[in-house]
Amino acid sequence: AQSVAQPEDQVNVAEGNPLTVKCTYSVSGNPYLFWYVQYPNRGLQFLLKYITGDNLVKGSYGFEAEFNKSQTSFHLKKPSALVSDSALYFCAVRPPARQLTFGSGTQLTVLP
Amino acid sequence: KAGVTQTPRYLIKTRGQQVTLSCSPISGHRSVSWYQQTPGQGLQFLFEYFSETQRNKGNFPGRFSGRQFSNSRSEMNVSTLELGDSALYLCASSLGDTGYTEAFFGQGTRLTVV
Repeated sequence: AQSVAQPEDQVNVAEGNPLTVKCTYSVSGNPYLFWYVQYPNRGLQFLLKYITGDNLVKGSYGFEAEFNKSQTSFHLKKPSALVSDSALYFCAVRPPARQLTFGSGTQLTVLP
Repeated sequence: KAGVTQTPRYLIKTRGQQVTLSCSPISGHRSVSWYQQTPGQGLQFLFEYFSETQRNKGNFPGRFSGRQFSNSRSEMNVSTLELGDSALYLCASSLGDTGYTEAFFGQGTRLTVV
């Protein structure tokens, strides 16, 4: 069975500082990995994905994620956080021919 | 290009009733998935359709059903509503069924069962 773990329910970071939102996964085979963001009372917005190739993936709004196969991790990063980045972030994994499975989400708060 | 449209946005139903939620995918997208989002359970996968065929199904009781039409629009139905069905129901569409194309989400339907 596939699963995704986001070990931190809440991450707080000061504006201008780098941020990291952690994600680890458990799945057989080579999965596709995704990050989504959700603002209050909204649906999820796609940020970036890893399919194959370069382990560092760049996405929307200055976000990037690093795929680490040996650690089965896919951490989301941003060099300099903005207050407007405050939102709920979801990591997701999708093995081939299976459904997209989401982590429990991490609430990111960027403090001015 | 219009995004994923879900109707209605808000719904209040009484326990025991049934409800139908609608999802119109992005034009050209043939895959539609449904998710239930609650504070306690997070995002739970309900089902996925591609070209009118159900491809995957989550661990929900048979009261939850769905279908996809030839124009890729999808509906989900919940019969005999329970208080625990109160949730945000999200629909997502994607271009194909390969799995590596990202899903685009609608704003959801907020269902409240009283």
